[in-house]
Amino acid sequence: ELKVEQNPLFLSMQEGKNYTIYCNYSTTSDRLYWYRQDPGKSLESLFVLLSNGAVKQEGRLMASLDTKARLSTLHITAAVHDLSATYFCAVGEVNRDDKIIFGKGTRLHILP
Amino acid sequence: ETGVTQSPTHLIKTRGQQVTLRCSSQSGHNTVSWYQQALGQGPQFIFQYYREEENGRGNFPPRFSGLQFPNYSSELNVNALELDDSALYLCASSLGIQETQYFGPGTRLLVL
Repeated sequence: ELKVEQNPLFLSMQEGKNYTIYCNYSTTSDRLYWYRQDPGKSLESLFVLLSNGAVKQEGRLMASLDTKARLSTLHITAAVHDLSATYFCAVGEVNRDDKIIFGKGTRLHILP
Repeated sequence: ETGVTQSPTHLIKTRGQQVTLRCSSQSGHNTVSWYQQALGQGPQFIFQYYREEENGRGNFPPRFSGLQFPNYSSELNVNALELDDSALYLCASSLGIQETQYFGPGTRLLVL
């Protein structure tokens, strides 16, 4: 059964610093998603990564995928307060059931 | 272009009752996924519909059922409600199974 682990689960960092959130998954997958969720709100899609070595960037966020290591990273460059949110990775399971499994989320708090 | 909409926004039911939640996809999107998010947790995948057929299902009992209509809008039905069904229910639509998912604002269900 596919398991998705994110770390850290909570991160408090200063504005201007760089940091990385890690997403490990346990079995073969054909797609990996990153989402952002603000308190009390729905989810906002950030990235979809479909192949080994895929890298996508939007503003201060960059996501990458290594399917051999079963690892995705979300890198934050020069963090700003507006990036404070909970970030989820989710992995598509490759089998008949085609489930999408979410990690527990990383609660990111950026201090001014 | 209209985004993903869900109705109702809030709902209170009692144990044993039945509920129907509705989702209107973004224009042109043929895939709808439903998720349950308990407070403080990551979303749990319920099922996905692609062109009116169920494409994948998570670990939810049969009392959770769904439907996708020819216009690609969707319903989630939950029978015999239990207290643990209290959660935020999210639907997401996409252009295809591996494409970016766009989430609706969610329906908050409280079961008393």
